[in-house]
Amino acid sequence: DIQMTQSPSTLSASVGDRVTITCRASQSISSWLAWYQQKPGKAPKLLIYKASTLESGVPSRFSGSGSGTEFTLTITSLQPDDLATYYCQQYDGFPWTFGQGTKVEIK
Amino acid sequence: EVQLVESGGGLVQPGGSLKLSCAASGFTLSSYTMHWVRQAPGKGLEWVSTVFSNATFKYYADSVKGRFTLSRDDTKDLLFLQMDSLRAEDTAVYYCARGSTYLHPWGQGTLVTVSS
Repeated sequence: DIQMTQSPSTLSASVGDRVTITCRASQSISSWLAWYQQKPGKAPKLLIYKASTLESGVPSRFSGSGSGTEFTLTITSLQPDDLATYYCQQYDGFPWTFGQGTKVEIK
Repeated sequence: EVQLVESGGGLVQPGGSLKLSCAASGFTLSSYTMHWVRQAPGKGLEWVSTVFSNATFKYYADSVKGRFTLSRDDTKDLLFLQMDSLRAEDTAVYYCARGSTYLHPWGQGTLVTVSS
């Protein structure tokens, strides 16, 4: 199975800060990676797919990059609405696997 | 509007069974690959099962293989997850989701609690 490791597990930042979350795969997954945002008590929501393609309707302050085994999700200017847990997910092969999540807190 | 609505969750004793449903609207279920993903209380996301649009191929996580069965009723645009021999560690919110690769959209989830 492909293991997905996110870092950090939690981060606290101020409104307007640039935030970066890293996701590493235990083997190459090309660009078959998605990022999801899950707000408290809600279902996950797709933000980015194929490592860097922004889903329609997602604010442009979100961006993704990377390929192979290392990927990043960047929020260029953190907003109060971005309070959530973020997950990466590989879809290179079954079983599909998720990172353990990164909880973003607002200072 | 594309929408997924899960139902069927509840409290069940260890060793019991439960059948979850996911109703699709705004699209034809049989044309898409569909999935179940679960989230234990306070934990992360875990992929559970997938059925491809042709219904020929189904995949299951090792943790549920042999106990859970995924099926579809294409005439009613319904996706099901039959869960047998339930264990305490199956306690989670169960989400259905659409997608041949990434998962989009997701339903709101239904809570399954396995406890005596």
